[in-house]
Amino acid sequence: EAQVTQNPRYLITVTGKKLTVTCSQNMNHEYMSWYRQDPGLGLRQIYYSMNVEVTDKGDVPEGYKVSRKEKRNFPLILESPSPNQTSLYFCASSRTGGTGELFFGEGSRLTVL
Amino acid sequence: QQPVQSPQAVILREGEDAVINCSSSKALYSVHWYRQKHGEAPVFLMILLKGGEQKGHEKISASFNEKKQQSSLYLTASQLSYSGTYFCGTDLSGNTPLVFGKGTRLSVIA
Repeated sequence: EAQVTQNPRYLITVTGKKLTVTCSQNMNHEYMSWYRQDPGLGLRQIYYSMNVEVTDKGDVPEGYKVSRKEKRNFPLILESPSPNQTSLYFCASSRTGGTGELFFGEGSRLTVL
Repeated sequence: QQPVQSPQAVILREGEDAVINCSSSKALYSVHWYRQKHGEAPVFLMILLKGGEQKGHEKISASFNEKKQQSSLYLTASQLSYSGTYFCGTDLSGNTPLVFGKGTRLSVIA
């Protein structure tokens, strides 16, 4: 089954404790992206990757890091999480860049205390 | 650069129609529409490329007016299953990441 898998789905952590949210897709998509969703603000892009070893900042990259060492995986790293990073995070992938249908993961709800 | 959606929220009775608009301050290459049901991930509905085409998905259709830099999503004879938040995403050149609007919350009641 074609899917985008994120882990963990739910996480409660404390300020400053490094964490990684993994994202994996099995559709051989070149494009992958991370979004955060906050009430009233819609989906805001954090980082995206057009292909392996190519990553770019989105609209809200501060406090996040990503890597794309292989095509299927695109982890999101929070080196020192802060409470303002409490949010619902979605990973998405598509066959091509902006013109392709985006397939979203189920989301990861992160709470930083 | 974020597209502006209107209305922010709408409540319909089953069978009624609705229109959701998405406007951009910049020229667009394509507009994407997604629906997100409560507690779920967004799901793709359709893509409209510049050229003013109109597309359909069941009783949901959309248009794209390049000159006005806007797209409209039309929901006809709404069903309870149409409830959710609708997002438009805009792409400026065909090779740039989508930028999503803040969403329109649609509630269909019996």
